[in-house]
Amino acid sequence: EAGVTQFPSHSVIEKGQTVTLRCDPISGHDNLYWYRRVMGKEIKFLLHFVKESKQDESGMPNNRFLAERTGGTYSTLKVQPAELEDSGVYFCASSRQDHYGYTFGSGTRLTVV
Amino acid sequence: AQTVTQSQPEMSVQEAETVTLSCTYDTSESDYYLFWYKQPPSRQMILVIRQEAYKQQNATENRFSVNFQKAAKSFSLKISDSQLGDAAMYFCAYRSPSREDMRFGAGTRLTVKP
Repeated sequence: EAGVTQFPSHSVIEKGQTVTLRCDPISGHDNLYWYRRVMGKEIKFLLHFVKESKQDESGMPNNRFLAERTGGTYSTLKVQPAELEDSGVYFCASSRQDHYGYTFGSGTRLTVV
Repeated sequence: AQTVTQSQPEMSVQEAETVTLSCTYDTSESDYYLFWYKQPPSRQMILVIRQEAYKQQNATENRFSVNFQKAAKSFSLKISDSQLGDAAMYFCAYRSPSREDMRFGAGTRLTVKP
């Protein structure tokens, strides 16, 4: 099966600009997660979708971040306007309804300058 | 809240040797899941091994095994017969059965020397 795909792999934007990250989960995986790793620190949870519904968005840092999952398929994470502290690697993961861990994508490295 | 600590930012091992990566966690729960993930450079993070807290037997996957010490809240990863392809960032993670999100440690960068 195809894995979790994230676009773009790298993005460099200026402070104040908008960036949209995309995640295509494994087909049939109802659960989709976004995580972020700021350089040198732990990977932190952002939010969790079950199909098209946001199940838990407790990790979203502020209202500059907006996540959507159209029709329960792919998901987008928009940062508007981007700030310097938003730089990091954004991971997407998906899973079935079990506890066998996630399948992660390769991540999007976001650099805000 | 649960926290995961990886006290070794970097580790190095000679090819064919054995290395152990440390992970400790803090929780008040009795049932949970623990994971080790591996992220090679510029590649996706993959699951290496998984342990359910209710199982006393340590999980093994080929050259990878864990030393799960529930009372000590320790979950170390042992890599035997290290290979060049084992070089990666390794992340320890905790997951509560009542939640869907995972708590990760800061990671350990493993270098394998030929």
